[in-house]
Amino acid sequence: AQKITQTQPGMFVQEKEAVTLDCTYDTSDPSYGLFWYKQPSSGEMIFLIYQGSYDQQNATEGRYSLNFQKARKSANLVISASQLGDSAMYFCAMREGGWATASKLTFGTGTRLQVTL
Amino acid sequence: GAGVSQSPSNKVTEKGKDVELRCDPISGHTALYWYRQSLGQGLEFLIYFQGNSAPDKSGLPSDRFSAERTGGSVSTLTIQRTQQEDSAVYLCAVGYTFGSGTRLTVV
Repeated sequence: AQKITQTQPGMFVQEKEAVTLDCTYDTSDPSYGLFWYKQPSSGEMIFLIYQGSYDQQNATEGRYSLNFQKARKSANLVISASQLGDSAMYFCAMREGGWATASKLTFGTGTRLQVTL
Repeated sequence: GAGVSQSPSNKVTEKGKDVELRCDPISGHTALYWYRQSLGQGLEFLIYFQGNSAPDKSGLPSDRFSAERTGGSVSTLTIQRTQQEDSAVYLCAVGYTFGSGTRLTVV
């Protein structure tokens, strides 16, 4: 079974609108963390936001927020007030185990977001 | 990304040649990871270093791939007898901060 599933290969959003990128995950470890990265055409991986499995509040970072629904095992990224510069690939990733275990990330296949005028 | 330097940024090599890719993190990070991103795909894990030792090499695709880390700092990923399917972007991360990657093209 896939550990991270991103079901939207591509998404379009108009500038200034909000958009939700979907991510579901699968783990039996009670301690885990979920990440979102942005990868523009330049290829670098830019960290956006992190949610720990024990965090009570949904994570927010500026225009990015993570809609964490633990029972549904979903960790959707919400981008508010989209900008042209948000056009990129977006990857959801998961770390399993506590922070002391320094574990690798497992990535989804990504969603290509295109912001239009 | 800031704190992780990778070189070269691009490498074109002939099939059958060996290549070395370098990752130079800022000091103080003990956990270092190599990932590979094939065209249009997500990232796949290759190897993890804790200090100079590699407790998890499970992602290395074949024995043509090897990596080492010295002084708890610089790491090199070596691919011997390169094949066309090795063409990809190779990304290094310290913790969860990524370098800009090396784009390897095998012709």
